[in-house]
Amino acid sequence: DIQMTHHPSTLSAYVGDRVTITCRASQNIDSWLAWYQQKPGKAPKLLIYKASTLESGVPSRFSGSGSGTEFILTISSLQPDDFATYYCQQYKSYSWTFGQGTKVEIK
Amino acid sequence: QVQLQESGPGLVKPSQTLSLTCSVSGASINSGAYYWSWIRQYPGKGLEWIGYIYYTGDTYYNPSLRSRVTMSVGTSKDQFSLNLSSVSAADTAVYYCATATEVRAFDVWGQGTMVTVSS
Repeated sequence: DIQMTHHPSTLSAYVGDRVTITCRASQNIDSWLAWYQQKPGKAPKLLIYKASTLESGVPSRFSGSGSGTEFILTISSLQPDDFATYYCQQYKSYSWTFGQGTKVEIK
Repeated sequence: QVQLQESGPGLVKPSQTLSLTCSVSGASINSGAYYWSWIRQYPGKGLEWIGYIYYTGDTYYNPSLRSRVTMSVGTSKDQFSLNLSSVSAADTAVYYCATATEVRAFDVWGQGTMVTVSS
């Protein structure tokens, strides 16, 4: 299986901060990477697919970059609604696998 | 707009079979547009893809679960199901159904259903 690793596991930030989350794959996955946001008690929500394509309806302050083995999710100006856990997921090869998540907390 | 809703027992005894159903609205399972998937999330938050079924009946399961998983499409064609046999406490999780495409990954999720394995 391809392993996905988040850095950091937890992040504390202020409203308005620029936030970056890194996800590393254990092998090349080209651009077959998705990012999800999950709030407590809710299902994950797709934010970005194909590493950098914003899902319809997702605010433009979210962006994704990277290819191969290293990927970044950026929130340009953190809003109160953005405090949540973020997961990356590879879909280059079966089994599709998720990272362990990065929790974004209020500082 | 596709909507998904999981249903099934919230408590299953060890060694028995966990059976869940996902009801689909806003799309036809026969459309060929999606891979109809199951994903679970452990209490410690880790997410694990279980497998998918395509409208043709083709399935692909996570190799770590393959010996215990069966997925099927309901006769009404607006439901698909998950059976997981010989469960143990390690199968306690929130189970989600979701749609997947080759490009957009898991784009629509159900709300999830908590399943506890306990005697």
